[in-house]
Amino acid sequence: GENVEQHPSTLSVQEGDSAVIKCTYSDSASNYFPWYKQELGKRPQLIIDIRSNVGEKKDQRIAVTLNKTAKHFSLHITETQPEDSAVYFCAALPANDYKLSFGAGTTVTVRA
Amino acid sequence: NAGVTQTPKFRVLKTGQSMTLLCAQDMNHEYMYWYRQDPGMGLRLIHYSVGEGTTAKGEVPDGYNVSRLKKQNFLLGLESAAPSQTSVYFCASSYLGQGYGEQFFGPGTRLTVL
Repeated sequence: GENVEQHPSTLSVQEGDSAVIKCTYSDSASNYFPWYKQELGKRPQLIIDIRSNVGEKKDQRIAVTLNKTAKHFSLHITETQPEDSAVYFCAALPANDYKLSFGAGTTVTVRA
Repeated sequence: NAGVTQTPKFRVLKTGQSMTLLCAQDMNHEYMYWYRQDPGMGLRLIHYSVGEGTTAKGEVPDGYNVSRLKKQNFLLGLESAAPSQTSVYFCASSYLGQGYGEQFFGPGTRLTVL
């Protein structure tokens, strides 16, 4: 099955700086890569996703890049704000499968 | 449109007791999932369903049973609760068709087994 590894497990950044989280996946058939944000005590919510026919996608201050050859994808948050403090999960979905494989999560803390 | 809802929000059980967690979605989604979330271990899939009347095991199915008698509901049962089942349980659903993949999560159930 698919195996997703996520790094780092914790990340502390100064407000206004950028944050980068990296994930690798094992199944070359994976074609959908979402990122979820989970605030303390809340449910995970999708913040951005990318499919394998696209190399990069942006939405305001967040962007995701995908390198299919190397089988890794990354989340970039620019101009971080205190409300970006949360746990972020990456995931991968193989083609013809129903189950997302999640990374272990990255706890991001934005220092004021 | 309530999305994905879960009942109850909190529950405390004694070892050996049984309970059922209910997940309901009003988005007509085909796929439904049950996860547990423990500190530092991310989201682990317990069971999932690809349609009414079908269920399948996920990564950590032992000690749990599920049923999907109606498309909109997915039940998670603990027949004999153990302290190791203390966790936060999330239900999720997703749709079949173009653009599929995104999972919509419920608010979670915090379960403590004493």
